[in-house]
Amino acid sequence: EAGVAQSPRYKIIEKRQSVAFWCNPISGHATLYWYQQILGQGPKLLIQFQNNGVVDDSQLPKDRFSAERLKGVDSTLKIQPAKLEDSAVYLCASSHEGRELFFGEGSRLTVL
Amino acid sequence: AQKVTQAQTEISVVEKEDVTLDCVYETRDTTYYLFWYKQPPSGELVFLIRRNSFDEQNEISGRYSWNFQKSTSSFNFTITASQVVDSAVYFCALSPGYSSASKIIFGSGTRLSIRP
Repeated sequence: EAGVAQSPRYKIIEKRQSVAFWCNPISGHATLYWYQQILGQGPKLLIQFQNNGVVDDSQLPKDRFSAERLKGVDSTLKIQPAKLEDSAVYLCASSHEGRELFFGEGSRLTVL
Repeated sequence: AQKVTQAQTEISVVEKEDVTLDCVYETRDTTYYLFWYKQPPSGELVFLIRRNSFDEQNEISGRYSWNFQKSTSSFNFTITASQVVDSAVYFCALSPGYSSASKIIFGSGTRLSIRP
């Protein structure tokens, strides 16, 4: 069974530029999550989707971050414009019927 | 408030020693789930265990064991006879509510180094 796929693995941009990350969850997993992990910290939930609807986006900085999951399968997380403090690893995870989360390898963002 | 505290930032032990990673959680929910995840240098978080709040039985899986104590709000993780491959960052996490996959709150992690 294929795992959660994310791309790109690494991205370096300058502040005020934009960036997009893509995630393809495990086949059949209805729930998809985006987490932000700043160096030395635990992951923090940004947004949770159930199929193509948003369940929780209370910690998503909506002035610069956006995410979509149009067909209830893969998802895109966008940051525009990026700030220095957005440097982090962006982790995508998926789950099936409320069971444990399966994580991708993450997309490491460096903002200069 | 929902919170997970992992007071040990870093632990270093010699191979074959036993090591315990501490986890203390806070929640007002009576139903909740607790997890441990491992994050090796590759970066991918690997699921280790999930417990619900109604099941306080300790669990053993090979060299890994978990001690869940509601009275002290703790969910500690012990590795017996540690190996170099156990070196990683370990996260304890809490999911308040009825679904184990809603809003998982992670602790700050414990970096475990096993020296040969």
